[in-house]
Amino acid sequence: DARVTQTPRHKVTEMGQEVTMRCQPILGHNTVFWYRQTMMQGLELLAYFRNRAPLDDSGMPKDRFSAEMPDATLATLKIQPSEPRDSAVYFCASGLGSAGNTIYFGEGSWLTVV
Amino acid sequence: QQQVKQSPQSLIVQKGGISIINCAYENTAFDYFPWYQQFPGKGPALLIAIRPDVSEKKEGRFTISFNKSAKQFSLHIMDSQPGDSATYFCAASGRTGYSTLTFGKGTMLLVSP
Repeated sequence: DARVTQTPRHKVTEMGQEVTMRCQPILGHNTVFWYRQTMMQGLELLAYFRNRAPLDDSGMPKDRFSAEMPDATLATLKIQPSEPRDSAVYFCASGLGSAGNTIYFGEGSWLTVV
Repeated sequence: QQQVKQSPQSLIVQKGGISIINCAYENTAFDYFPWYQQFPGKGPALLIAIRPDVSEKKEGRFTISFNKSAKQFSLHIMDSQPGDSATYFCAASGRTGYSTLTFGKGTMLLVSP
């Protein structure tokens, strides 16, 4: 049963702390996305990678967010320092690169910054 | 600027009724239009998708209607069931290999028993 795996599923942290979220894409998928979901903004694309190379991170606050793919089986999203406004659900999704192909979402990392 | 506008924000339908969710887009370069379904605590999952070369696509109780000239598309859920209660997102992406999905803001559907 191929699926996108995200950890942690839930995280409560204090403002100013570093938060790292991890994602294991579906084996064989060459495109990985990070989305943030909030009630106000819906699903926002933060960054995405094709064959591990970052293609677009324009949706990400550069001063505190960073995204990397150390290898084909791991994508990370880091927030340092975290702020209460970062509280949201962060989804990783993966797919095969061509436009119009289905992307598959993980179950999300629920982040609360207090 | 929001590129995909979705309405309504929320919808309550009686069991057995028809649920209709609408989306409008602005970018004429879009040529792939999927709908995603999200249950509480889960990630969105692809429900059904359409390309603009057809005006309608049906899969079971779910139908997408597409109006290219009006730049609108809609999801119809026939014989709505309580198990259909979820948040539905429309999305769109363009033709190039590097195009990404742009999502609407979602519609919370509640099907009452």
